Amino acid sequence: GIQVEQSPPDLILQEGANSTLRCNFSDSVNNLQWFHQNPWGQLINLFYIPSGTKQNGRLSATTVATERYSLLYISSSQTTDSGVYFCAVRSDFGNEKLTFGTGTRLTIIP
Amino acid sequence: DSGVTQTPKHLITATGQRVTLRCSPRSGDLSVYWYQQSLDQGLQFLIQYYNGEERAKGNILERFSAQQFPDLHSELNLSSLELGDSALYFCASSVVWTGELFFGEGSRLTVL
Repeated sequence: GIQVEQSPPDLILQEGANSTLRCNFSDSVNNLQWFHQNPWGQLINLFYIPSGTKQNGRLSATTVATERYSLLYISSSQTTDSGVYFCAVRSDFGNEKLTFGTGTRLTIIP
Repeated sequence: DSGVTQTPKHLITATGQRVTLRCSPRSGDLSVYWYQQSLDQGLQFLIQYYNGEERAKGNILERFSAQQFPDLHSELNLSSLELGDSALYFCASSVVWTGELFFGEGSRLTVL
């Protein structure tokens, strides 16, 4: 099946810093989503971005499908940004499930 | 609020017991997915239903079963529970035209 790798696995930043999270996938996809899992365990949709670039406030994402990667940018980090960020993809080949990466754990220090 | 409702939010039970987790999808979504998140396995796909029919099966144990009812809500039944079944169980539903998934808040199962 499709492989999804996220980097870095852990990231500790001072409040106000910017960060870039990366997601590499091993096959062509027709769906790519970024999620934030907050400390209470909720999975919050950030972006649905199978290709192109989107922005939502301090967050933006870019997917280059032909090169099989996606980037999530977080600017001016706040403590509420802490948590685990997951990339999940749906392969062009196979069923409709999303395959999740192992996540990037982001900790923002005040 | 994603619009996907899961109950119960927390459940504590003993080994060997059986539990049922319930999920109501977003209005208009026909597909329901179940995922398990445990500490050592990450988010694992269990099973998908579409309009009442099983559509895809993942790493679901034989002790687990699921169904989707005519009103589109779904139930995940976990039986002969073991300590290793302790996990966060998520339900998601998807938008028909894009396939974007939205997740419920999860049911946290603790098996003692």
